[in-house]
Amino acid sequence: DGGITQSPKYLFRKEGQNVTLSCEQNLNHDAMYWYRQDPGQGLRLIYYSQIVNDFQKGDIAEGYSVSREKKESFPLTVTSAQKNPTAFYLCASSVTPGWASGYTFGSGTRLTVV
Amino acid sequence: DQQVKQNSPSLSVQEGRISILNCDYTNSMFDYFLWYKKYPAEGPTFLISISSIKDKNEDGRFTVFLNKSAKHLSLHIVPSQPGDSAVYFCAASEEGGNAGNMLTFGGGTRLMVKP
Repeated sequence: DGGITQSPKYLFRKEGQNVTLSCEQNLNHDAMYWYRQDPGQGLRLIYYSQIVNDFQKGDIAEGYSVSREKKESFPLTVTSAQKNPTAFYLCASSVTPGWASGYTFGSGTRLTVV
Repeated sequence: DQQVKQNSPSLSVQEGRISILNCDYTNSMFDYFLWYKKYPAEGPTFLISISSIKDKNEDGRFTVFLNKSAKHLSLHIVPSQPGDSAVYFCAASEEGGNAGNMLTFGGGTRLMVKP
């Protein structure tokens, strides 16, 4: 079955640590996205990538980094520079960039700072 | 400044009755609107969409209405079922379908359908 897989489901980070969230898709989608969900804030765009080896900052990119070395993979690193990283992180993909109704979301990673 | 707002964080409805979820937007350039449904610990799934050239789109029990002059859209669920209990996100896009245009999401409304 084609889909988008995020791992781990739950992640705990100590203060000052970098952590990397995995996102893999086997849908052959060109575009991939990372969103952050906070209560009452909706989903806010962190980074997106329209094609391999290219990515763009979203609305809240500070403290995060990404890479897109393979079409299937779009890992997100939460760095120590991110002051409030505790949130639910969602990865999504779409066939073509900006194909709004074609977003497929993963099941998310809940990150908690301990 | 939130460009897409869902002012009701939660809504409780009796099974069999109508659920109406509302969404307001401020960016007049938005021309494609979507509703996503999200269960706990899962990613959102696409529910229904509407282009700005229409004022209504229907899919089974779900109907979305768009009032461009008021910059308002609503999702109607009739009849509501307990399985509809979830968080519903409104989203909008400029020049829907074109490269580089991202979705802007509202804050979500938690719908609870009571048996």
